Amino acid sequence: NAGVMQNPRHLVRRRGQEARLRCSPMKGHSHVYWYRQLPEEGLKFMVYLQKENIIDESGMPKERFSAEFPKEGPSILRIQQVVRGDSAAYFCASSPYTSQETQYFGPGTRLLVL
Amino acid sequence: QKEVEQDPGPLSVPEGAIVSLNCTYSNSAFQYFMWYRQYSRKGPELLMYTYSSGNKEDGRFTAQVDKSSKYISLFIRDSQPSDSATYLCALNAPTDSWGKLQFGAGTQVVVTP
Repeated sequence: NAGVMQNPRHLVRRRGQEARLRCSPMKGHSHVYWYRQLPEEGLKFMVYLQKENIIDESGMPKERFSAEFPKEGPSILRIQQVVRGDSAAYFCASSPYTSQETQYFGPGTRLLVL
Repeated sequence: QKEVEQDPGPLSVPEGAIVSLNCTYSNSAFQYFMWYRQYSRKGPELLMYTYSSGNKEDGRFTAQVDKSSKYISLFIRDSQPSDSATYLCALNAPTDSWGKLQFGAGTQVVVTP
């Protein structure tokens, strides 16, 4: 059973461009969580999604950031008009149901904004 | 003040020693407590999960929770060089959405042979 997959693993964007980060949850998992990790900091919750629904987006910046988890296909975290401060590692996790203790994390996407 | 405080280290110990890690928190609403291990350039991996005060043991790992003091600990016995990683505490409050974890900054542990 493949684990949580994220792609790309590394992404370089220039200021003002768009970044699209993809997360394929583990098979059978319908809950996805996105976290951001800045250098020297812990993971910060961004958003929690179920298929076709956003459950909690309290950690998402109000502008430029959006997330979706369509009925078919991976979850997408989209960052428009990236700025240097968006440079970070973005991790997604998945779980088979609403759960604190069974979130399985992917390897992360490292975004570098030049 | 951060909701979850964790000393970033690095914490260097000789092989075979006990590693002692801890987090403090300010919000008494936190009821679920987890410890994750993160190797460099990898995603976090769940080590321990508990929701009650007291001790929970799993192999060489012991998680301890003191809700009255808002203090949680992780102990690693007989440490090995392969335990060298960053250890993150994560907390969840039922008043938040289930699954929204609040992480500490992580403590870097180095176990020297």
